[in-house]
Amino acid sequence: QVQLQESGPGLVQPSETLSLTCSVSGASVINYYWTWIRQPPGKGLEWIGNVYSSGSTNYNSSLMSRLTISVDTSKNLFSLKLNPVTAADTAMYYCASSYGGNSYFDYWGPGTLVTVSS
Amino acid sequence: AIQLTQSPSSLSASVGDRVSITCRTSQGISGPLAWYQQKPGQPPKLLIYDASSLRTGVPSRFSGSESGTDFTLTIRSLQPEDFATYYCQQFITYPRLLYIFGQGTKLEI
Repeated sequence: QVQLQESGPGLVQPSETLSLTCSVSGASVINYYWTWIRQPPGKGLEWIGNVYSSGSTNYNSSLMSRLTISVDTSKNLFSLKLNPVTAADTAMYYCASSYGGNSYFDYWGPGTLVTVSS
Repeated sequence: AIQLTQSPSSLSASVGDRVSITCRTSQGISGPLAWYQQKPGQPPKLLIYDASSLRTGVPSRFSGSESGTDFTLTIRSLQPEDFATYYCQQFITYPRLLYIFGQGTKLEI
């Protein structure tokens, strides 16, 4: 059973960097895509981007200029950096896997709420 | 803009009812579609992928279908645990790689 767990600060100052990590257990990150998705409070889901175990990435064009997603195969985790942030980036951030197929997200972390505020 | 139009945005039903939720893809845009269920305070849960393939462990009262640009999630004989918000999601590879979600349908008692 694939398990994912997000970690990182719950509060980020405007114009600073949002950094999150997703630790993967029960599976190797190698040979799969790993994804970040966010959900503003009371709103719908937005795909942020993904990374393959080789390090190649795909980003949502609306976030591309501020976004970096990376993978660390030695630690079996992947990460998200978004810089600079504004209040509009306040959301629940989820990491997810495309373990069974790369067109959908079959395993999700519980999510971590990130608030952008001074 | 590439869009996935989900309807209705909310739906009231009773235990035992049959309900359907539809997602319409942008004209000329194709790609596999999945359905998720989300309950308050929880991450989304994959129900169906590739339009009609039921994920292992998901009850058979959930089903998906496709007709042209319209995709439908049907839940027959609603159970109390089915009241939640449902999202469709499409995987697009042209003109660029993108995953898009529908706006969600809140299914209420």
